[in-house]
Amino acid sequence: DADVTQTPRNRITKTGKRIMLECSQTKGHDRMYWYRQDPGLGLRLIYYSFDVKDINKGEISDGYSVSRQAQAKFSLSLESAIPNQTALYFCATSDPKTADTDTQYFGPGTRLTVL
Amino acid sequence: KQEVTQIPAALSVPEGENLVLNCSFTDSAIYNLQWFRQDPGKGLTSLLLIQSSQREQTSGRLNASLDKSSGRSTLYIAASQPGDSATYLCAVRGMDSSYKLIFGSGTRLLVRP
Repeated sequence: DADVTQTPRNRITKTGKRIMLECSQTKGHDRMYWYRQDPGLGLRLIYYSFDVKDINKGEISDGYSVSRQAQAKFSLSLESAIPNQTALYFCATSDPKTADTDTQYFGPGTRLTVL
Repeated sequence: KQEVTQIPAALSVPEGENLVLNCSFTDSAIYNLQWFRQDPGKGLTSLLLIQSSQREQTSGRLNASLDKSSGRSTLYIAASQPGDSATYLCAVRGMDSSYKLIFGSGTRLLVRP
């Protein structure tokens, strides 16, 4: 089983709809991240969380919100989806308690299309 | 503001060739640099991480170098194979406490049999 899972893997929705993307991890890591990837732009950080009580905005948090329900779960919400939020979304984790602290482990991604 | 650029955007080579992928960054005050591989539908996999005090890291047929003063890193792939076909991304971590990675847009590599 994959260590970092994302659901759904693909989603098509309409402008104005509320969407939630979910991320779960079995790695026991405290740190979790949400990125989006657009063609030709690389990955950009939306939000990150260092533990269940610590949520931080990334580069492009406008239009998004997150919830860290437990150490293993980090959800990304689009309250009112718009077409320019069409992108590939990745969740990642990292572990500050080991020597491998800077390596981030990525989920397989969620492809979101907003019509 | 840190910016990361990767050249070329795409590369096609015959199997067996040695190749170099380039990554440049505008702010030399980095904590480390990572190279990732991205396969369609499978997310990103970390290949090599170079701390700012290091000059290079090696893993199998992969060798990554870092010249922090000039803002450059290269990923060298020896004896390329069709299975190396993927998009390769570099990312830098700044000196702040956010652990935020700034990614380049990637080089899409195709190794032809």
